Amino acid sequence: DAKTTQPPSMDCAEGRAANLPCNHSTISGNEYVYWYRQIHSQGPQYIIHGLKNNETNEMASLIITEDRKSSTLILPHATLRDTAVYYCIVRGSYNTDKLIFGTGTRLQVFP
Amino acid sequence: DTAVSQTPKYLVTQMGNDKSIKCEQNLGHDTMYWYKQDSKKFLKIMFSYNNKELIINETVPNRFSPKSPDKAHLNLHINSLELGDSAVYFCASSQLTSGGAKDIQYFGAGTRLSVL
Repeated sequence: DAKTTQPPSMDCAEGRAANLPCNHSTISGNEYVYWYRQIHSQGPQYIIHGLKNNETNEMASLIITEDRKSSTLILPHATLRDTAVYYCIVRGSYNTDKLIFGTGTRLQVFP
Repeated sequence: DTAVSQTPKYLVTQMGNDKSIKCEQNLGHDTMYWYKQDSKKFLKIMFSYNNKELIINETVPNRFSPKSPDKAHLNLHINSLELGDSAVYFCASSQLTSGGAKDIQYFGAGTRLSVL
């Protein structure tokens, strides 16, 4: 079972920041927080991941709380192409650990 | 060039048939995966191979048999297809030299299997 809880859906206006929350209250010290997204009918796409520090790349920013029990994915300027299901995943540090996809958050960006 | 490519993209077949789905990655990754996404959109891992060695083998019927001839290829063979096998199957690859510290998986476009 997924170790994360996300809202089932969110809306965001085009050009505004999209802030997607995720709860992972049972996260262990060696587990990473990953974000992937799946645009309709396509394969999932990696966005960003982190352990405890905040992370930023060309796609998004990841803010992890100090206690690591929750995180927020930030898309700074959402576009219509960002409409997708966003998955927050907790993954351990061993090769045999897995990405376990939950139900995710369906983000709808509107004009 | 497509990083992770799957063939075929669509597969329609009768119950009881045997079929294969092929996957190739040109990223030089050491690990490949098969996932199944059912009609309710739940995406679940089935298998993972690291350097041609099976490292993840989820509770999947033994009618499903993965085969990795080399690090760049991971094929999925399905025997005696059943209606419940209808789903989208995704292949993925990653470089697991850092384990969970950097499991950035690249996914193929999927194979939509319909069993009639």
